[in-house]
Amino acid sequence: KQEVTQIPAALSVPEGENLVLNCSFTDSAIYNLQWFRQDPGKGLTSLLLIQSSQREQTSGRLNASLDKSSGRSTLYIAASQPGDSATYLCAVKGQAGTALIFGKGTTLSVSS
Amino acid sequence: GAVVSQHPSRVICKSGTSVKIECRSLDFQATTMFWYRQFPKQSLMLMATSNEGSKATYEQGVEKDKFLINHASLTLSTLTVTSAHPEDSSFYICSALAGASDTQYFGPGTRLTVL
Repeated sequence: KQEVTQIPAALSVPEGENLVLNCSFTDSAIYNLQWFRQDPGKGLTSLLLIQSSQREQTSGRLNASLDKSSGRSTLYIAASQPGDSATYLCAVKGQAGTALIFGKGTTLSVSS
Repeated sequence: GAVVSQHPSRVICKSGTSVKIECRSLDFQATTMFWYRQFPKQSLMLMATSNEGSKATYEQGVEKDKFLINHASLTLSTLTVTSAHPEDSSFYICSALAGASDTQYFGPGTRLTVL
């Protein structure tokens, strides 16, 4: 059974710092991996989706990498801002048509 | 982009009553929809996979007689929490699968509070 782990569980940084969020998964046979953002009491916002054949995806200040063989992904956030404060969730899809399996998330707090 | 709606966004009910949550894909057809549950400060846990025109597949530990799922059309799936109890209070999120891209689009969630 696929398990997704995210480290750290919480992170506090001052504005302007570059930071890395980590995600690991136990079964490397994945279809894709997705990073989401969730604000308190709200739904999910998709940030980046990486197909199993890809190594990374970029969107603005966000860069996500995927090392499928080692079961790891990282989300890099450049020049963090207070508006980046949220919980970041990593999720993997085992096969086409199946559901995303989520990690517990990393709660990020960026202070001004 | 693809949009998924949920209704209601928030519901408060008394213990023992049933609550129905609707999940709609507004601009695409979804043969498959998923239902998740999220407890405070926890991650999303998959409850069941809903396929249009067939019975839902429930994850281990999820009571199918308590959480009734109906996927009667390609744009609508419903989750009914029967005989709700305070421990069923949670954030319920649905997701619709866009077949062509195999991308899951998520609804905004429904906050259920059972008194």
